[in-house]
Amino acid sequence: AQSVTQLGSHVSVSEGALVLLRCNYSSSVPPYLFWYVQYPNQGLQLLLKYTTGATLVKGINGFEAEFKKSETSFHLTKPSAHMSDAAEYFCAVSVSSSYKLIFGSGTRLLVRP
Amino acid sequence: EAGVVQSPRYKIIEKKQPVAFWCNPISGHNTLYWYRQNLGQGPELLIRYENEEAVDDSQLPKDRFSAERLKGVDSTLKIQPAELGDSAVYLCASSPDRGQDTQYFGPGTRLTVL
Repeated sequence: AQSVTQLGSHVSVSEGALVLLRCNYSSSVPPYLFWYVQYPNQGLQLLLKYTTGATLVKGINGFEAEFKKSETSFHLTKPSAHMSDAAEYFCAVSVSSSYKLIFGSGTRLLVRP
Repeated sequence: EAGVVQSPRYKIIEKKQPVAFWCNPISGHNTLYWYRQNLGQGPELLIRYENEEAVDDSQLPKDRFSAERLKGVDSTLKIQPAELGDSAVYLCASSPDRGQDTQYFGPGTRLTVL
């Protein structure tokens, strides 16, 4: 069975500072990994995804994530936070035999002026 | 291109009442998903459709929940009767085909059961 753990339900950074949101996964087969963002009262929007190939994945809005198999991690980063990045971020995993996304519990990013 | 459309956006009902949610996926998307998102948690899959066939409904509480996707386009999710614990956001998503295509989410319906 697959599972996702997001460390830190809340992360607070200053505007312009590095954003690091942590995600660890568990999967017995090669996983597909996703990061979604959810703004208040809106649905989830895909930031980026890893399926195969290059382990450093670049997404929208300047975000990127690196798949590290040895660490079973897929942490999300952005070099410089912007006020508009304040939202809830979800990491998710699926495998090729199942089309179901398994989500973590989410991390709320707060950006201080 | 229009996104996934859901209605209503908000619904408040008393327990034991029925409620229904409607979803219109992105045009041409064969796969449709219903998720439930409890407060402070990530979404959990309730049911997945491939065209009009429900191919994964293992997480759907079938005693009170039902869903349909007539003609393989729009879908309706129903709860009857609703319980206090059903208060959540119900999200609909669609993707072009099965596999690892990106799932596109609608804005959700926030259900409050009093």
